[in-house]
Amino acid sequence: NAGVTQTPKFRVLKTGQSMTLLCAQDMNHEYMYWYRQDPGMGLRLIHYSVGEGTTAKGEVPDGYNVSRLKKQNFLLGLESAAPSQTSVYFCASTEGGINSYEQYFGPGTRLTVT
Amino acid sequence: GENVEQHPSTLSVQEGDSAVIKCTYSDSASNYFPWYKQELGKRPQLIIDIRSNVGEKKDQRIAVTLNKTAKHFSLHITETQPEDSAVYFCAASIAGYSTLTFGKGTMLLVSP
Repeated sequence: NAGVTQTPKFRVLKTGQSMTLLCAQDMNHEYMYWYRQDPGMGLRLIHYSVGEGTTAKGEVPDGYNVSRLKKQNFLLGLESAAPSQTSVYFCASTEGGINSYEQYFGPGTRLTVT
Repeated sequence: GENVEQHPSTLSVQEGDSAVIKCTYSDSASNYFPWYKQELGKRPQLIIDIRSNVGEKKDQRIAVTLNKTAKHFSLHITETQPEDSAVYFCAASIAGYSTLTFGKGTMLLVSP
């Protein structure tokens, strides 16, 4: 199993450009998440999904949109990138249910907005 | 919503010493507390977790303690080794719900 994968690994955008980050998992997990990681700020939840076709806002959702059209994929979109969105983005997934809470993280995407 | 405070932000120890990282949480309904380790340039990975029905859990050199009355929990690493150097994150959630709230992280440096 590949686990959780993310594409791309690195990206540089100019202010105002748009892009989509793709997260894929092959563990048949119900729940998927997008986090951003900034120095000294820990992991902050952007959006999450509790199943195919569902999405919900996290702590820092502004400027981002998400879609979960297929159970194995979770897309994060930036419609008009801003320098404040320079960060490392992590996707994660978890099985869900009462006995399984471990979140499995992808390798991350380093995004720079100039 | 839940708020998780983590201390210290950096911790330097000599190889073989013990290290303790502490977290406090605000929501008394939280009952699941995991710890994640993130090595430089890598993804976070779960190293240990505890649920509120126990006060302590051990896994080799790592242990976690929980004080629900005081709403704090701690990670204890004994006999530290250089490969323990990493950023450690605590988190809290209500088991059965879908989201974790993370602390800001502690950078642990273990010197040989």
